[in-house]
Amino acid sequence: EAQVTQNPRYLITVTGKKLTVTCSQNMNHEYMSWYRQDPGLGLRQIYYSMNVEVTDKGDVPEGYKVSRKEKRNFPLILESPSPNQTSLYFCASSSTGLRSTEAFFGQGTRLTVV
Amino acid sequence: QQQVKQSPQSLIVQKGGISIINCAYENTAFDYFPWYQQFPGKGPALLIAIRPDVSEKKEGRFTISFNKSAKQFSLHIMDSQPGDSATYFCAGRTYKYIFGTGTRLKVLA
Repeated sequence: EAQVTQNPRYLITVTGKKLTVTCSQNMNHEYMSWYRQDPGLGLRQIYYSMNVEVTDKGDVPEGYKVSRKEKRNFPLILESPSPNQTSLYFCASSSTGLRSTEAFFGQGTRLTVV
Repeated sequence: QQQVKQSPQSLIVQKGGISIINCAYENTAFDYFPWYQQFPGKGPALLIAIRPDVSEKKEGRFTISFNKSAKQFSLHIMDSQPGDSATYFCAGRTYKYIFGTGTRLKVLA
C-alpha cells in the first residue's frame, strides 16, 4: 500500500528539549516536504527536498531542521522547541515528473510544547 | 504573488444542497490546481484536480470550475451529504504546492 508514515502521532514535550519527527514514504518519490497546520492559517510549508541531499527552506523554516540522506526518509528536527511550535505537522511526498500530480500526506503529528 | 486566497473560512449547508468554495491565485506559473479533503485526525487527501487548459472537471458530485483569465477556481459539491463534512484546501502548484487557508464544511443531516 502506497503511504507516508509519520511517527510519533502525538508528542508532548518541554521547551528546549530536542526532538525528531520521522517521515518515511514507500512510493520512490523524489519530492518530500513538511507542513504545519494551524487554525486559520492552512498548511504552511516548513522545508522541502527535491531529492537526496537537496533540501531548501519553505515559508516558515525558523526553528526547524531537516535532512535527506535517503530517498524514502525525511525527518523533521526541532533542536530547541518553543511553545509557538505547538502545531499539527504533516509530511508529504510526490513525484517530480512532468505530469506528476498527487501529493500524498502522512497522518499527522500533533506536537505540544509546554 | 505566491498566495492562494480561499473563501469562505467555514460553510454550513443542508443535506442535499450545493456547497461552493472559492479560491483565487496570483501566480500564473501554477500548472496544477488540486483540491484536498481532510477529515478530523487524518492527513489531507486528493479529492479532485484540474490543469489550467481545462475550464471544468467533474468527478461524481464534485466539480471544479476554472477561470484562467480571472485567476479563480472553485469547488462545487452537489447533493452535499453529512459524510462530506470535512476541511477542504485548494492549492496551486509550481515546483511546490501553495495551499489556501482551508474551508471547514459542515453538512447538516
